[in-house]
Parts: sequence; C-alpha cells; structure tokens
Amino acid sequence: GAGVSQSPSNKVTEKGKDVELRCDPISGHTALYWYRQSLGQGLEFLIYFQGNSAPDKSGLPSDRFSAERTGGSVSTLTIQRTQQEDSAVYLCASSLVWQVGRPQHFGDGTRLSIL
Amino acid sequence: QQQVKQSPQSLIVQKGGIPIINCAYENTAFDYFPWYQQFPGKGPALLIAIRPDVSEKKEGRFTISFNKSAKQFSLHIMDSQPGDSATYFCAASNTNAGNMLTFGGGTRLMVKP
Repeated sequence: GAGVSQSPSNKVTEKGKDVELRCDPISGHTALYWYRQSLGQGLEFLIYFQGNSAPDKSGLPSDRFSAERTGGSVSTLTIQRTQQEDSAVYLCASSLVWQVGRPQHFGDGTRLSIL
Repeated sequence: QQQVKQSPQSLIVQKGGIPIINCAYENTAFDYFPWYQQFPGKGPALLIAIRPDVSEKKEGRFTISFNKSAKQFSLHIMDSQPGDSATYFCAASNTNAGNMLTFGGGTRLMVKP
C-alpha cells in the first residue's frame, strides 16, 4: 500500500489479556517507530527499529511491552497482561532511513481499550 | 519531564485569521523541529519542519518562525480555512537520539466559517 498500515484499527479486551498490534510500514522504509497517544501523556515515543534491530528499548513503559520486526518490514507490538492504563492509541510510523530530518509517516493507529 | 511545551491548548479563529501556535524546548541538543497536523481518527501528518540554522521557513500557507537563543519556535497559518481545523503538534529531535520525536502537548484549532 501507499501508506503505513496498522491493524486492528480498534481492539477491546479484558484486563489481564495479551494483545498484539501490527504495523506494516511503507515499502522500502528501513526505520520504524512506535508511539503511544493518550489523554494524560500526549504523544510519547516507545521504541524504534533500524532494519530488524531495536537499539534502544528504554521508552517501553514496562516489561509487559515488547516489540519485534522481522524481514525488515512488518512489526508487532505485544502487550502482556494488559492493564487499564494501557488504554491508548498506538501509532506506528516509518521513515526511509534512521536519520534526523527524514520525515516520519504515521499510520492511523490502533485504538486499544482495556475493560 | 516535558521537554517540549506547547501553547495554547486550544484556539478559535475566524476564517482568514492567522492562528499562531508556540512551542518552547529545553534540550539544546535538539536540531530538527517538525510540525504535525492530526484530524480525528487519523495519524499525525507532517506539515513543515525547520532546522535551527534558519529563522523562518514557509510552505504554502504555513510558516515556522524559529528563535534559537530563546529556544522557541512557532507555527503561523496564513488565511486560515475551516478545513484547517485539527490538532497541531510541534515536535523535536536530536542527532544523538536519531529520529525519535519528542512531541508538545498539542493545540486544538477551530477555524470558524
């Protein structure tokens, strides 16, 4: 596709369940980023990938969060044992390369609701 | 620690007016300052960006003004239209941290017909 694709667009789950969020970046983009958008915290950076490597995982809120990227393309963000404070919109972005000034193109996000 | 502070939180202008959104940053290592526009239910879309070696950049009706000594930058929207009604985010990043963006809190703009 032409843009960053995220799925599902909406996810409602019960507290304690695990969820997987998927991001399909723009073809040819080597850098991929995950952000979280919530009412209380605004837009916050979570993790980035250059190729399949994630050099810095310090932005992940807790050890319940993990992310992987395979084949330099699709990425999955996994949240284990979900909590109500995990409710937010999870946004994925990609850019051609991992360099300052390279535009990041965002998907429309996955809206996650934890009951 | 909020490294990029954005104001105002909301703004209402009449069609044709010039809304101005301001951002201030703390980290002097920031060297790339983009602005994003977000419509409800959509992801942020890059509008315009500036580096600290220039004081102003224009793209269409959008202008960024940058004051390095004051660590402030602002977005001006000329001849605003109802279709410009959206949430605007300023952001910043630095070379040492790669391309990870630190966002301001956002400004909800409404342009009245």
